[in-house]
Amino acid sequence: AQKVTQAQTEISVVEKEDVTLDCVYETRDTTYYLFWYKQPPSGELVFLIRRNSFDEQNEISGRYSWNFQKSTSSFNFTITASQVVDSAVYFCALSEAGGNNRLAFGKGNQVVVIP
Amino acid sequence: NAGVTQTPKFQVLKTGQSMTLQCAQDMNHEYMSWYRQDPGMGLRLIHYSVGAGITDQGEVPNGYNVSRSTTEDFPLRLLSAAPSQTSVYFCASSYRAPGTEAFFGQGTRLTVV
Repeated sequence: AQKVTQAQTEISVVEKEDVTLDCVYETRDTTYYLFWYKQPPSGELVFLIRRNSFDEQNEISGRYSWNFQKSTSSFNFTITASQVVDSAVYFCALSEAGGNNRLAFGKGNQVVVIP
Repeated sequence: NAGVTQTPKFQVLKTGQSMTLQCAQDMNHEYMSWYRQDPGMGLRLIHYSVGAGITDQGEVPNGYNVSRSTTEDFPLRLLSAAPSQTSVYFCASSYRAPGTEAFFGQGTRLTVV
Protein backbone atom coordinates (compact mmCIF):
# COMPACT_ATOMS: atom_id res chain seq x y z
CA ALA A 1 0.00 0.00 0.00
CA GLN A 2 1.18 3.49 -0.75
CA LYS A 3 1.68 5.99 2.03
CA VAL A 4 2.96 9.55 2.22
CA THR A 5 4.12 11.26 5.39
CA GLN A 6 4.57 14.97 5.86
CA ALA A 7 5.69 15.35 9.42
CA GLN A 8 5.62 19.13 9.79
CA THR A 9 2.17 20.62 10.09
CA GLU A 10 2.65 24.40 10.16
CA ILE A 11 5.79 26.24 9.17
CA SER A 12 6.19 29.98 9.61
CA VAL A 13 8.92 31.90 7.87
CA VAL A 14 9.75 35.55 7.40
CA GLU A 15 9.55 36.80 3.86
CA LYS A 16 12.69 36.12 1.80
CA GLU A 17 13.71 33.17 3.93
CA ASP A 18 13.93 29.73 2.36
CA VAL A 19 11.51 27.02 3.42
CA THR A 20 11.95 23.28 2.93
CA LEU A 21 9.07 20.84 3.13
CA ASP A 22 9.81 17.22 3.94
CA CYS A 23 8.02 14.29 2.35
CA VAL A 24 8.66 10.60 3.04
CA TYR A 25 6.85 7.93 1.07
CA GLU A 26 6.26 4.19 1.13
CA THR A 27 5.46 1.98 -1.82
CA ARG A 28 6.09 -1.56 -2.95
CA ASP A 29 6.07 -0.63 -6.61
CA THR A 30 9.34 -0.09 -8.40
CA THR A 31 7.75 2.45 -10.74
CA TYR A 32 5.93 5.33 -9.14
CA TYR A 33 5.40 9.07 -9.40
CA LEU A 34 5.72 11.82 -6.84
CA PHE A 35 3.94 15.15 -6.91
CA TRP A 36 3.72 18.41 -5.04
CA TYR A 37 0.44 20.32 -5.07
CA LYS A 38 -0.26 23.78 -3.65
CA GLN A 39 -3.55 24.79 -2.05
CA PRO A 40 -3.73 28.57 -1.58
CA PRO A 41 -6.28 30.16 0.76
CA SER A 42 -8.79 30.26 -2.10
CA GLY A 43 -8.97 26.47 -1.83
CA GLU A 44 -8.13 25.12 -5.27
CA LEU A 45 -5.39 22.53 -5.76
CA VAL A 46 -2.60 23.55 -8.10
CA PHE A 47 -0.12 21.08 -9.57
CA LEU A 48 3.49 22.18 -9.01
CA ILE A 49 5.95 19.43 -9.87
CA ARG A 50 6.24 15.73 -10.69
CA ARG A 51 9.10 13.25 -10.56
CA ASN A 52 9.12 9.62 -11.60
CA SER A 53 10.94 6.91 -9.70
CA PHE A 54 13.59 6.30 -12.34
CA ASP A 55 14.73 9.91 -12.52
CA GLU A 56 16.54 11.10 -9.42
CA GLN A 57 17.88 14.23 -11.00
CA ASN A 58 17.15 17.18 -8.79
CA GLU A 59 15.98 20.32 -10.47
CA ILE A 60 15.35 23.95 -9.92
CA SER A 61 12.43 25.79 -11.47
CA GLY A 62 12.36 29.44 -10.62
CA ARG A 63 12.14 29.70 -6.83
CA TYR A 64 11.15 26.04 -6.50
CA SER A 65 13.56 23.15 -6.18
CA TRP A 66 13.21 19.57 -5.14
CA ASN A 67 15.44 16.85 -3.78
CA PHE A 68 14.41 13.29 -4.64
CA GLN A 69 16.36 10.53 -2.87
CA LYS A 70 15.22 6.94 -3.41
CA SER A 71 17.69 5.66 -0.81
CA THR A 72 15.77 7.47 1.94
CA SER A 73 12.35 7.46 0.21
CA SER A 74 12.21 11.23 0.43
CA PHE A 75 10.97 13.91 -1.93
CA ASN A 76 11.64 17.26 -0.31
CA PHE A 77 10.54 20.59 -1.74
CA THR A 78 12.19 23.97 -1.21
CA ILE A 79 10.88 27.46 -1.84
CA THR A 80 13.72 29.93 -2.09
CA ALA A 81 13.30 33.56 -1.05
CA SER A 82 9.73 33.04 0.10
CA GLN A 83 7.03 35.56 -0.69
CA VAL A 84 3.67 36.24 0.93
CA VAL A 85 1.96 34.65 -2.09
CA ASP A 86 3.64 31.37 -1.14
CA SER A 87 1.43 31.15 1.95
CA ALA A 88 -0.58 27.99 1.32
CA VAL A 89 -0.94 24.34 2.19
CA TYR A 90 1.46 22.14 0.27
CA PHE A 91 0.67 18.48 -0.36
CA CYS A 92 3.04 15.74 -1.35
CA ALA A 93 1.38 12.88 -3.22
CA LEU A 94 2.31 9.54 -4.75
CA SER A 95 0.81 7.37 -7.46
CA GLU A 96 1.95 3.90 -8.42
CA ALA A 97 2.37 2.81 -12.02
CA GLY A 98 -0.22 0.09 -11.63
CA GLY A 99 -2.56 2.20 -9.56
CA ASN A 100 -4.73 3.88 -12.18
CA ASN A 101 -3.32 7.26 -11.25
CA ARG A 102 -4.86 7.09 -7.80
CA LEU A 103 -3.11 9.57 -5.54
CA ALA A 104 -2.09 9.01 -1.96
CA PHE A 105 -1.67 12.36 -0.26
CA GLY A 106 0.27 13.42 2.77
CA LYS A 107 -1.52 15.48 5.39
CA GLY A 108 -0.08 18.71 4.07
CA ASN A 109 2.21 21.47 5.31
CA GLN A 110 0.68 24.84 6.14
CA VAL A 111 3.24 27.46 5.14
CA VAL A 112 2.80 30.95 6.53
CA VAL A 113 5.06 33.63 5.12
CA ILE A 114 5.23 36.66 7.38
CA PRO A 115 5.86 39.97 5.64
CA ASN B 1 -11.09 26.12 -21.03
CA ALA B 2 -13.40 25.11 -18.21
CA GLY B 3 -11.24 22.19 -17.00
CA VAL B 4 -12.94 20.39 -14.11
CA THR B 5 -16.20 21.93 -12.96
CA GLN B 6 -17.87 21.03 -9.69
CA THR B 7 -21.29 22.09 -8.51
CA PRO B 8 -22.42 23.24 -6.07
CA LYS B 9 -19.62 25.13 -4.33
CA PHE B 10 -21.37 25.08 -0.96
CA GLN B 11 -24.15 22.90 0.42
CA VAL B 12 -25.81 22.38 3.77
CA LEU B 13 -27.74 19.16 4.29
CA LYS B 14 -29.75 17.76 7.13
CA THR B 15 -28.86 14.34 8.47
CA GLY B 16 -30.52 11.68 6.37
CA GLN B 17 -30.96 13.77 3.25
CA SER B 18 -29.50 12.65 -0.03
CA MET B 19 -27.82 14.71 -2.70
CA THR B 20 -25.56 14.50 -5.73
CA LEU B 21 -22.34 16.43 -6.20
CA GLN B 22 -21.76 17.09 -9.86
CA CYS B 23 -18.42 16.90 -11.64
CA ALA B 24 -17.74 17.50 -15.31
CA GLN B 25 -14.51 17.77 -17.28
CA ASP B 26 -13.96 18.91 -20.84
CA MET B 27 -10.43 17.61 -21.37
CA ASN B 28 -11.43 14.13 -22.58
CA HIS B 29 -9.65 12.58 -19.61
CA GLU B 30 -10.17 8.87 -19.11
CA TYR B 31 -9.59 8.88 -15.36
CA MET B 32 -11.78 10.66 -12.85
CA SER B 33 -11.88 10.48 -9.09
CA TRP B 34 -13.43 11.94 -5.96
CA TYR B 35 -11.47 12.91 -2.85
CA ARG B 36 -12.54 14.33 0.46
CA GLN B 37 -10.41 16.73 2.47
CA ASP B 38 -10.72 16.89 6.23
CA PRO B 39 -8.63 19.01 8.61
CA GLY B 40 -5.32 17.35 9.40
CA MET B 41 -6.11 14.37 7.13
CA GLY B 42 -4.97 15.46 3.70
CA LEU B 43 -7.07 14.21 0.80
CA ARG B 44 -8.50 10.72 0.78
CA LEU B 45 -9.82 8.86 -2.22
CA ILE B 46 -13.52 7.99 -2.17
CA HIS B 47 -14.20 6.45 -5.60
CA TYR B 48 -12.54 6.52 -8.96
CA SER B 49 -13.24 5.62 -12.56
CA VAL B 50 -10.91 4.58 -15.38
CA GLY B 51 -13.49 5.13 -18.10
CA ALA B 52 -17.17 5.27 -18.92
CA GLY B 53 -19.02 2.41 -17.27
CA ILE B 54 -16.12 1.49 -14.94
CA THR B 55 -15.90 2.57 -11.32
CA ASP B 56 -14.14 1.29 -8.24
CA GLN B 57 -13.83 2.05 -4.56
CA GLY B 58 -11.08 4.08 -3.00
CA GLU B 59 -9.97 4.39 0.59
CA VAL B 60 -13.21 5.76 2.12
CA PRO B 61 -16.17 4.67 -0.05
CA ASN B 62 -18.83 3.99 2.59
CA GLY B 63 -21.91 6.17 2.28
CA TYR B 64 -21.15 7.24 -1.30
CA ASN B 65 -22.14 5.99 -4.73
CA VAL B 66 -20.78 6.92 -8.14
CA SER B 67 -21.54 6.17 -11.75
CA ARG B 68 -19.81 7.07 -15.01
CA SER B 69 -22.19 7.00 -17.91
CA THR B 70 -20.13 9.40 -20.04
CA THR B 71 -16.46 10.32 -20.27
CA GLU B 72 -17.25 13.88 -19.17
CA ASP B 73 -19.36 13.37 -16.04
CA PHE B 74 -18.68 11.67 -12.73
CA PRO B 75 -21.34 12.47 -10.11
CA LEU B 76 -20.96 11.56 -6.45
CA ARG B 77 -24.11 10.60 -4.56
CA LEU B 78 -24.55 10.79 -0.83
CA LEU B 79 -27.25 8.28 -0.03
CA SER B 80 -28.17 9.34 3.52
CA ALA B 81 -26.02 12.21 4.74
CA ALA B 82 -24.34 11.95 8.11
CA PRO B 83 -22.41 14.60 10.09
CA SER B 84 -19.24 12.55 9.48
CA GLN B 85 -19.58 13.42 5.80
CA THR B 86 -19.05 17.11 6.53
CA SER B 87 -15.99 17.82 4.42
CA VAL B 88 -14.62 19.51 1.34
CA TYR B 89 -15.00 17.34 -1.74
CA PHE B 90 -12.73 17.51 -4.75
CA CYS B 91 -13.23 15.95 -8.13
CA ALA B 92 -10.15 15.28 -10.24
CA SER B 93 -9.39 14.04 -13.72
CA SER B 94 -6.31 12.91 -15.60
CA TYR B 95 -5.20 11.18 -18.74
CA ARG B 96 -4.73 7.41 -18.69
CA ALA B 97 -0.93 7.47 -19.00
CA PRO B 98 0.69 6.58 -15.66
CA GLY B 99 2.05 9.50 -13.73
CA THR B 100 0.11 12.24 -15.46
CA GLU B 101 -0.90 15.04 -13.18
CA ALA B 102 -4.44 15.31 -11.92
CA PHE B 103 -6.52 18.41 -12.52
CA PHE B 104 -8.83 19.33 -9.70
CA GLY B 105 -12.15 21.09 -9.51
CA GLN B 106 -12.68 24.04 -7.19
CA GLY B 107 -14.16 21.87 -4.47
CA THR B 108 -17.55 21.57 -2.79
CA ARG B 109 -17.82 22.47 0.87
CA LEU B 110 -20.52 20.25 2.39
CA THR B 111 -21.91 20.64 5.87
CA VAL B 112 -24.26 18.03 7.33
CA VAL B 113 -26.21 19.19 10.35
